[in-house]
Amino acid sequence: GAGVSQSPSNKVTEKGKDVELRCDPISGHTALYWYRQSLGQGLEFLIYFQGNSAPDKSGLPSDRFSAERTGGSVSTLTIQRTQQEDSAVYLCASSLEDRQPQHFGDGTRLSIL
Amino acid sequence: GNSVTQMEGPVTLSEEAFLTINCTYTATGYPSLFWYVQYPGEGLQLLLKATKADDKGSNKGFEATYRKETTSFHLEKGSVQVSDSAVYFCALSAPPGYSTLTFGKGTMLLVSP
Repeated sequence: GAGVSQSPSNKVTEKGKDVELRCDPISGHTALYWYRQSLGQGLEFLIYFQGNSAPDKSGLPSDRFSAERTGGSVSTLTIQRTQQEDSAVYLCASSLEDRQPQHFGDGTRLSIL
Repeated sequence: GNSVTQMEGPVTLSEEAFLTINCTYTATGYPSLFWYVQYPGEGLQLLLKATKADDKGSNKGFEATYRKETTSFHLEKGSVQVSDSAVYFCALSAPPGYSTLTFGKGTMLLVSP
């Protein structure tokens, strides 16, 4: 379809492992966002990309979290040395340009054992 | 900083009842306001938005009016349906992170036949 695509839809991994989450934004959307949805914290902003650069990464909770975007399209969110508190649904959104309505993917449900 | 407060759920209604979900905000500068909806098993969808004071956003029978004097953006619908059962999120974007969304914790709506 033409929406935001995220993979995998579910990921279960052991504590201490690294994980990589992928987001394919809507074609032509220059802005891309990552959020985290967890039971205790609700929906939290993680990082924002405009093109390939990240002018706002203020929401990344620790240096174990990083993200990149290549070709102004696909983005990957990497969590190193996962902890149980990283368990959450990770949502990606894109918008045509900065400050336009954001369109969300279905998310990746991450479970850390 | 920016914040959004919305009423806790679940809100339980019978079909055809009137719905109000309260949302108030704190923001620096002049925010844009949004309601997003998350149906069971699906991703977040933009329901409606308003970008300046006294604007009314509307979609699918839902309405919300941007009230600057009371810093509120309450969601209303005159006659709910079972298919409206979902989680509703109030959100804003405002300086300094104008491109990113700050969400409320969400309100679950359950509509029974």
